[in-house]
Amino acid sequence: ETGVTQSPTHLIKTRGQQVTLRCSSQSGHNTVSWYQQALGQGPQFIFQYYREEENGRGNFPPRFSGLQFPNYSSELNVNALELDDSALYLCASSHSLAGRETQYFGPGTRLLVL
Amino acid sequence: AQKVTQAQTEISVVEKEDVTLDCVYETRDTTYYLFWYKQPPSGELVFLIRRNSFDEQNEISGRYSWNFQKSTSSFNFTITASQVVDSAVYFCALLKLGTSYGKLTFGQGTILTVHP
Repeated sequence: ETGVTQSPTHLIKTRGQQVTLRCSSQSGHNTVSWYQQALGQGPQFIFQYYREEENGRGNFPPRFSGLQFPNYSSELNVNALELDDSALYLCASSHSLAGRETQYFGPGTRLLVL
Repeated sequence: AQKVTQAQTEISVVEKEDVTLDCVYETRDTTYYLFWYKQPPSGELVFLIRRNSFDEQNEISGRYSWNFQKSTSSFNFTITASQVVDSAVYFCALLKLGTSYGKLTFGQGTILTVHP
């Protein structure tokens, strides 16, 4: 067990709706990264948060946004859901900026968009 | 751009067989980290190993061993005497150093099934 938790575990939404996913980082970790994993694929980097600021972003549109709170927990928000947003969303926490430390992953949230 | 290729989509073995999972990467950087993660059916990615580009020493941890060869850009993973509990999807990943954030680039994964 990594100590990284995510909620909810499963979620069903319809196209056009908005969703918020939550992540609590491992104790002592100040950096949170979010990844999207489509079925049968490897995870794709969405963005990373460090000290409440987004400090890196992958190739995802602006309707994917996030927050990090003073306790280093984080939220991923997706607006105007599309069918292709159906995926496993993984959160990872690490000890420092720039990812020199290993990223430890939570169990993920499975999102289904109908 | 960075890329990780795991050419083996699926591997099926019988318990106690040895199995090697291949990973080939592409990067223009001279400093980077390589990782292996295991993803059981529950979905959580479990960290197995991290190697940096300066250190080509192979590593053994119990039934697991890793062979890093910079000359061929490969970082292969071997499980000796496989067990049913080793059944999972295994991902190789690359992390570029020297940037302001840590983005892992993953391969497509290899599904390993170990039959009793």
